[in-house]
Amino acid sequence: EPEVTQTPSHQVTQMGQEVILRCVPISNHLYFYWYRQILGQKVEFLVSFYNNEISEKSEIFDDQFSVERPDGSNFTLKIRSTKLEDSAMYFCASSDEYEQYFGPGTRLTVT
Amino acid sequence: RKEVEQDPGPFNVPEGATVAFNCTYSNSASQSFFWYRQDCRKEPKLLMSVYSSGNEDGRFTAQLNRASQYISLLIRDSKLSDSATYLCVVRLDTGRRALTFGSGTRLQVQP
Repeated sequence: EPEVTQTPSHQVTQMGQEVILRCVPISNHLYFYWYRQILGQKVEFLVSFYNNEISEKSEIFDDQFSVERPDGSNFTLKIRSTKLEDSAMYFCASSDEYEQYFGPGTRLTVT
Repeated sequence: RKEVEQDPGPFNVPEGATVAFNCTYSNSASQSFFWYRQDCRKEPKLLMSVYSSGNEDGRFTAQLNRASQYISLLIRDSKLSDSATYLCVVRLDTGRRALTFGSGTRLQVQP
């Protein structure tokens, strides 16, 4: 069964550093997403991406965040100048027209 | 008012029991509805989509009441492996694909 994959599984970084989280969506899906979940809180939408551009973003997705599909398979989330409050689980998801399937997540710890 | 509201639980039930979870959503323009399950520190996994006429998948039955903005999930013959957090999820559609998650209801099935 096809699945979304994410790397790394855990990333530790110092405050102010840049991180790139990587995702490989399901191959025939056209819509890609990033969500985050701060420990003990609910899953929150960050951004959706379709046809090589951002189609929707939340208030959380400010100028320190960016997304890219650098090639035909990868989808990345870049966080510039990380803050302590960016520590969370980041989930990538992909979908065809309807149902979204999530990757196993990257746990980001900012120290 | 929270966009998607769920009783956090925990619901502690014996194996074989029937358990029901409820969820309310605040935005009457919501068009698509889902139940996901999430195991501790893992990604949300799609359990089932919820259709207006109600739908069943094995031991799981989902119902939608648009007038009351209410969604339910019924689990029959609970198994130990059903222990997880159940997430109620809605989507506006009409060009917007972002999923809005509830905080989840925790289920613990006991032997």
